[in-house]
Amino acid sequence: GENVEQHPSTLSVQEGDSAVIKCTYSDSASNYFPWYKQELGKRPQLIIDIRSNVGEKKDQRIAVTLNKTAKHFSLHITETQPEDSAVYFCAASIGGSGNTGKLIFGQGTTLQVKP
Amino acid sequence: KAGVTQTPRYLIKTRGQQVTLSCSPISGHRSVSWYQQTPGQGLQFLFEYFSETQRNKGNFPGRFSGRQFSNSRSEMNVSTLELGDSALYLCASSPVQGASEQFFGPGTRLTVL
Repeated sequence: GENVEQHPSTLSVQEGDSAVIKCTYSDSASNYFPWYKQELGKRPQLIIDIRSNVGEKKDQRIAVTLNKTAKHFSLHITETQPEDSAVYFCAASIGGSGNTGKLIFGQGTTLQVKP
Repeated sequence: KAGVTQTPRYLIKTRGQQVTLSCSPISGHRSVSWYQQTPGQGLQFLFEYFSETQRNKGNFPGRFSGRQFSNSRSEMNVSTLELGDSALYLCASSPVQGASEQFFGPGTRLTVL
């Protein structure tokens, strides 16, 4: 069935270091991969996404890479700051006209950035 | 534009009762999805609505139901509440059906006693 595995479950880095979170999906038909950041007590916020026709996407300090052959994708945060501390979720869906927007989420990674 | 809104924000119910949660999507968005978030199971898909029609349903019992109105607002209903239904219920809206950006509301925190 549909499944997204996310690692690690917790990640602690020093301010200024890089952080990498990895996800693997099971359904080869998946073609849309968003990443959400959820701070304590708040709603998940979309921070970056990638579609299967692109291998990498970057937005300032965050980037996402996608390897369709291996069915995995990763979130990279450079020059981490204390405000990056949150739970990060990856997700996958089979998108496109006529398809569902159903998102299958990974279990989440708690990122702690130590000042 | 105003974001996704959900009401109520908090609810306390007892076992066996039923509950209705409401979601108003971003203006112009026609697709609404619902998710259940718990510490143990993470974020799980409940259902997706587009143009007042349920387009997809997750693996939840029939006690969970929903609907969408002509103005794209959506409601979900849980009948015969169980302790395990305690969770944060999140709705997300997106402009169209199919993989596009989904924007979440603040959620409704349901506690079943």
